[in-house]
Amino acid sequence: KNEVEQSPQNLTAQEGEFITINCSYSVGISALHWLQQHPGGGIVSLFMLSSGKKKHGRLIATINIQEKHSSLHITASHPRDSAVYICAVYGNKLVFGAGTILRVKS
Amino acid sequence: NAGVTQTPKFQVLKTGQSMTLQCAQDMNHNSMYWYRQDPGMGLRLIYYSASEGTTDKGEVPNGYNVSRLNKREFSLRLESAAPSQTSVYFCASSGSWVSEAFFGQGTRLTVV
Repeated sequence: KNEVEQSPQNLTAQEGEFITINCSYSVGISALHWLQQHPGGGIVSLFMLSSGKKKHGRLIATINIQEKHSSLHITASHPRDSAVYICAVYGNKLVFGAGTILRVKS
Repeated sequence: NAGVTQTPKFQVLKTGQSMTLQCAQDMNHNSMYWYRQDPGMGLRLIYYSASEGTTDKGEVPNGYNVSRLNKREFSLRLESAAPSQTSVYFCASSGSWVSEAFFGQGTRLTVV
């Protein structure tokens, strides 16, 4: 079993929908990182969090340390949100999830 | 600021050839990393450098060597390329181990 599991693996949504991507992990961590990888391949950081919730524009990230679970929410989704979303956890090493491929249709 | 700059963006090698991927960051970060990304798998750490003058193996170091030339630059060398090393390679840097990481644009390497 992978130390970091993301779900769903693939997600197709209509423009305007509320989207949730989940990340579960099995190791103790000090922080969790959400990243976005666009079709061109570049990877950008969205959030880094160790507790609670963070919001940036239409993106919200939450983490529950006790349940070893984090969610990334996108409100009012737009085609430009189409990308791969990657969860990474900082334990004694940095481990990445396989990513969630999101496609938002107009 | 350029952030993290990787070169080259694309490369095709023949089996057995050698090459060096270059990475430089201008954010005065202590830590630098090399990852590979393969279809259906998460990013996997090849080598990292927690600070200038130190390097350590990551999850998949076999077939690679690294050099932390100075605080800015961290290079990855393939001494004798193999088809299994066909992948997309990313360099990243961060202020410290548990801090936000910044990624280069990636190098798409094909070994034939």
